[in-house]
Amino acid sequence: QVQLQESGPGLVRPSETLSLTCTVSGGSISSGCWSWIRQPPGKRLEWIGYIIDSGNTNYNPSFNSRATVSVDTSQNQVSLTLRSVTDADTAVYYCARGAGFTSVWSWGAPRTTVAHFDYWGQGTLVAVSP
Amino acid sequence: EIVMTQSPGTLSVSPGERVSLLCRASQSVSTNLAWYQHKPGQAPRLLIYGASTRATGVPARFSGSGSGTEFTLTITSLQSEDFAVYYCQQYNKWPPEYTFGQGTKLEI
Repeated sequence: QVQLQESGPGLVRPSETLSLTCTVSGGSISSGCWSWIRQPPGKRLEWIGYIIDSGNTNYNPSFNSRATVSVDTSQNQVSLTLRSVTDADTAVYYCARGAGFTSVWSWGAPRTTVAHFDYWGQGTLVAVSP
Repeated sequence: EIVMTQSPGTLSVSPGERVSLLCRASQSVSTNLAWYQHKPGQAPRLLIYGASTRATGVPARFSGSGSGTEFTLTITSLQSEDFAVYYCQQYNKWPPEYTFGQGTKLEI
């Protein structure tokens, strides 16, 4: 059974960088899709980005290149870095495993993506405040 | 961006009842639709993917239907453990885009 556990600081100052870690047990992160999703208070879930097979990444354009998803295979951890945070980044942050792999052709090359998220962590609350 | 709209926002029901939760997409998503169950303090749980396929370990009382812009999650014979918030999620293949509905809360 795959389990995911998010960790990180509960408070980040505006304009600083938010860094979160997701520790995965019950499976290797060196392959597969690992994603970050967040939910601001009173708002809907919002996909941030994912990494596939430890290398290919894709992000929600609404984050304006502020987000980076990476993996540390030696620790079996997935990380999220979100730069230049504002109070709008206050949210519960979830890591999740992508599933339902599919390939599409784009710009003359095959691209791999996922359809849904089959395992999630419990989430970690991050507040952005002075 | 495809906007997902769920209704109702809150549904008050009793154990043993049958309920149907609705999810509408602002444009066709074919059957690229998943449903999740979320209880406070717990990890969200995948219930349905591909609009109608139950995820591993999901009881048969949960079923999904629909295609295009209108989807339904039906729960027959509600159990006490089913009271939670339910979200739908669509995906666009490329560029990848995942958007969620605002959720339907099932309460006793």
